[in-house]
Amino acid sequence: DIQMTQSPASLSASLGETVTIECRASEDIYNGLAWYQQKPGKSPQLLIYNANSLHTGVPSRFSGSGSGTQYSLKINSLQSEDVASYFCQQYYDYPYTFGAGTKLELK
Amino acid sequence: EVQLVESGGGLVQPGRSLKLSCAASGFTFSNYYMAWVRQAPKKGLEWVATISTSGSRTYYPDSVKGRFTISRDNAKSSLYLQMNSLKSEDTATYYCASQLPFFAYWGQGTLVTVSS
Repeated sequence: DIQMTQSPASLSASLGETVTIECRASEDIYNGLAWYQQKPGKSPQLLIYNANSLHTGVPSRFSGSGSGTQYSLKINSLQSEDVASYFCQQYYDYPYTFGAGTKLELK
Repeated sequence: EVQLVESGGGLVQPGRSLKLSCAASGFTFSNYYMAWVRQAPKKGLEWVATISTSGSRTYYPDSVKGRFTISRDNAKSSLYLQMNSLKSEDTATYYCASQLPFFAYWGQGTLVTVSS
C-alpha cells in the first residue's frame, strides 16, 4: 500500500498569510494526488486534483504543486473561511490512501 | 447541481449487518465510478469501496474485504453498501462520492455506530 505522510498535523496562521501543507508518498504516484478541504461538521470538498489542477469553483488563492513523491498545497492570502482540515489523497493505485490531515486555525 | 444523499446509518450491534444507500442526482450516474469513504469520529478519511460504471468491477481495502459489498442500480441512480460482520472499528460517518478517479463530489454522510 502507498503511505501518505502529511505535515504539519496542525498549523496556526494569521489572516492574509501564506501557508503551505506538505504531503509525501511512499513511492512515486505520478501526480495522482488530490487535496480536500473539510470544514467542521461538513463533508470533504475537492480543492485540487492531478496535483495542480484547481477544481471548479475553488478560489485561485489555492494552488497545488509537486511531482514524484513530494506534493504541496499552498493557500495565499489566508481568509477566515479557510479555517478547516486539509487532506491529501493518492489515487495512483488501489488501495486509495489519505494523509492524516492538517488542521488549520487562525492565529 | 450534483447531489448525493446517504441514508441507512444507525446503531448496530457487533457482528450484525447494515445496508447503506446513496441517492444521486444532477449528473449522469451511470457514467461514473462511485465510491464509499468513511471517517471515524475525530479521525482521518479511509477509502472503503469503489464500483465501476456497470458494476462489473469492485475494489476494497483489506480492512473490509469479504465483509462489505458495494453495488449500484443505474436505473435508480442509487449506490449501496452492504456491511456484514460489523466491528466496533467500523464506527464512522460513511460518505458516498463520485470517483473521477479523485473524489469530485461527496454526500453529507451517514453515521454508523457499532456498539453493544
